[in-house]
Amino acid sequence: DVKVTQSSRYLVKRTGEKVFLECVQDMDHENMFWYRQDPGLGLRLIYFSYDVKMKEKGDIPEGYSVSREKKERFSLILESASTNQTSMYLCASSPPGQVTDTQYFGPGTRLTVL
Amino acid sequence: GQNIDQPTEMTATEGAIVQINCTYQTSGFNGLFWYQQHAGEAPTFLSYNVLDGLEEKGRFSSFLSRSKGYSYLLLKELQMKDSASYLCAVIDSNYQLIWGAGTKLIIKP
Repeated sequence: DVKVTQSSRYLVKRTGEKVFLECVQDMDHENMFWYRQDPGLGLRLIYFSYDVKMKEKGDIPEGYSVSREKKERFSLILESASTNQTSMYLCASSPPGQVTDTQYFGPGTRLTVL
Repeated sequence: GQNIDQPTEMTATEGAIVQINCTYQTSGFNGLFWYQQHAGEAPTFLSYNVLDGLEEKGRFSSFLSRSKGYSYLLLKELQMKDSASYLCAVIDSNYQLIWGAGTKLIIKP
């Protein structure tokens, strides 16, 4: 079974803090994704990566950055957290090839920025 | 713009059948996913359709009509554990996934 883990289930931070969200997958997947999920909105893609040290902007990259130093690990960084970044953050991975492959999701991190 | 429409919430009775609709307007089409997401948990894959017609998988079936930009997820013999959100997602011509907001399904005894 594919397993995608995220470093925290719940996180509370203050405005202006630097926040790191970690995601690790154990199935040697090339593709990894970071989404945020807000009530009434679909999943919105923040960044994705097709390979180590490779990153591509998604639909809403502003205020975020990412790091992929190892194949199994994809980190999302909020350089200076703001209250409008309070959200559920979901990491996903998928095997190499087209995006038509199924994405496997981690359990999510619910981030609250005060 | 690209758009995926699903009902926000539906209610059904244990043991019954429910159909969750999804309509889409996207720049091209390369397939449609249905995912299930229990409250506070990760979305999990249910089905993938790329050709017109019905795909059956146990109690769950998914239907696609590309000409109408329409899909539905059919759940039979509903169980309490089917209470969840159901997410529709379309792959557009650039192979980007466009997600709907999801349909919250409430099952009553």
